[in-house]
Amino acid sequence: EVQLVESGGGLVQPGGSLRLSCAASGFTFSSYWMSWVRQAPGKGLEWVANIKQDGSEKYYVDSVKGRFTISRDNAKNSLYLQMNSLRAEDTAVYYCARDRAVLRFFDYWGQGTLVTVSS
Amino acid sequence: SYVLTQPPSVSVAPGQTATIPCGGDNIGVKSVHWYQQRPGQAPVLVVYEDSDRPSGIPDRFSGSNSGDTASLAITRAAAGDEAVYYCQVWDGGPRHVVFGGGTRLTVL
Repeated sequence: EVQLVESGGGLVQPGGSLRLSCAASGFTFSSYWMSWVRQAPGKGLEWVANIKQDGSEKYYVDSVKGRFTISRDNAKNSLYLQMNSLRAEDTAVYYCARDRAVLRFFDYWGQGTLVTVSS
Repeated sequence: SYVLTQPPSVSVAPGQTATIPCGGDNIGVKSVHWYQQRPGQAPVLVVYEDSDRPSGIPDRFSGSNSGDTASLAITRAAAGDEAVYYCQVWDGGPRHVVFGGGTRLTVL
């Protein structure tokens, strides 16, 4: 059974940093692209970043470029999102999702972790 | 950037068929994917590549795509189908993932 479990969310002040983690199991993690998708409170879904199987390619939505860094550790079956210079508009539930790269859809999602940026 | 347009809400009577549209410029040439998100839960893929269903998704869920509109149909709608449904496409390039704004389905 595919499982994705996020952790690391919490309350952080504007300008602060946070590192999210996603532990994957039930599939060959190193064979798949992975993505982070977020959802602001009461709003829709927004793709944030993705990373190729070997970490050699990474892409970001414009609004987080230069502030967020996606990474992975295939030996630990883990995906990460380092978030720096956080803003109020980054407040959202962040989901880790398995990315079916050829057509870019997401066939498995974690339960999400809430990031709140507020003073 | 590419835009997907969904109505905010759709209502359907129990046992009837709900149809949720997703509009986009010449969306018929793209592959459309659909997600169901129940309150307080993560999204679940219900249709991919216009009309395919992942294992475990009942055949009451079906998708179509032509011209400027893709659609998700849910036959024999039940209370358990109440959720927000999102369409999604890939607009080319690894950064161009686009979601529609979501449609809340109410079964009443």
